[in-house]
Formats: sequence, structure tokens, C-alpha cells
Amino acid sequence: EAGVVQSPRYKIIEKKQPVAFWCNPISGHNTLYWYLQNLGQGPELLIRYENEEAVDDSQLPKDRFSAERLKGVDSTLKIQPAELGDSAVYLCASSDGQGPYNEQFFGPGTRLTVL
Amino acid sequence: AQSVTQLGSHVSVSEGALVLLRCNYSSSVPPYLFWYVQYPNQGLQLLLKYTTGATLVKGINGFEAEFKKSETSFHLTKPSAHMSDAAEYFCAVSNSGYSTLTFGKGTMLLVSP
Repeated sequence: EAGVVQSPRYKIIEKKQPVAFWCNPISGHNTLYWYLQNLGQGPELLIRYENEEAVDDSQLPKDRFSAERLKGVDSTLKIQPAELGDSAVYLCASSDGQGPYNEQFFGPGTRLTVL
Repeated sequence: AQSVTQLGSHVSVSEGALVLLRCNYSSSVPPYLFWYVQYPNQGLQLLLKYTTGATLVKGINGFEAEFKKSETSFHLTKPSAHMSDAAEYFCAVSNSGYSTLTFGKGTMLLVSP
């Protein structure tokens, strides 16, 4: 069974440029998460989707971040414009249920460097 | 509200020694508790989880953790460390009132020969 796929794995951009990250969850998983992981920290939730609906986006900085999950499968996270402080690893995860006890399966992440 | 505190950002053990990684949580309702492991340049992988029932939970790779409500703890242990256990370990909490996982800052486990 294929795991969660993310691309690109690494991205280097200059500040004020736009950037997008793509995630393909495990087949059949209706719940999709985007997390931000700063160096030396645990992941922090940015947004959670149930199918194509964003059910928790309270931690997403909406002035520069946006996300979409068309057709309830793949998802894209965008930053425009990027700032130096956005340098971090962006993790995507999926689960086959929305309960708080469901295992989340994580992708390898996209490491973003903003210069 | 919920939170997780992991004591020690780095823990060093010798191969064959006991591994003990500490996790304390705060939750206003009964918690669900998780331990995840992250190898370099990889995503997080679930080691074990506690939801209800038996408080001693066994996971993959010989790890186990015990839920102690009176101490609000969920420490991770392994009797004998292997070199392959070297990784970063994250404790996380959720509950029925807030299904989003809240992670601790992580503990890097270093294993020396």
C-alpha cells in the first residue's frame, strides 16, 4: 500500500515569492491534515479536511496561506508571499476516520527554505 | 485545552541499555495518548497509542508505554536499546472534545555502541 506522497521534497525560494506544496493521501482516507514543523519542535496543525471540507483551519495564517482539496483527494497548500519565518518542514498526513483516536499516517514532508 | 511536555530534548543511552522517554500531558477530559517516531528526512510513524482499557500499551519495535492518570504521564520505555532506535520521538494528545493532535517538542534519542 502506497503511503502519503508529498512533493516537492525540498524547495528553496526567495522571500516574497509564492510557493505551493502538493499532497496525495493514502487511498480511501477521507481526513487530511497539513502540519507545520519548525526546527526542534513538534508538528502544529495548520488545517484539517474531512473530504473536501476544511473543518479546522483556525491555525492557518489566512493572510498568506491558502489550501484546497478539490474532489476530496489530493490537496495543495500555498504560501503567497513567503516570508523568512516560513522556513520549516510542511507535513501532510491522512487518516481513515475523523475520530480523535485514529492513527494519522504522515508523508515525508516538504522542507522549505526562504532566503 | 490540552498540552504535552516532554522532559529532555536529548536522551543518550548505550546499546543494550534501558530507554526511558518522559511525557506528561494536560487534558480537561480523558485523553487519548500517542507516541510517534521520526527518522531523519522521514515522516512520523505511530509507535503506540492509548485510548481506553489496559493502561500498559505495547507498540512496535519492542516499545511500550504506561498511562498513569494520577501522574498525568505516558512515559515510553524499551528494555534494551538498539542502534536502529536512534531517532526523534514525539508524544501527542487528543481527546473527545478536541480531536486535533497536540504534539510535544520531541526527544532525540541517541544510541552509542
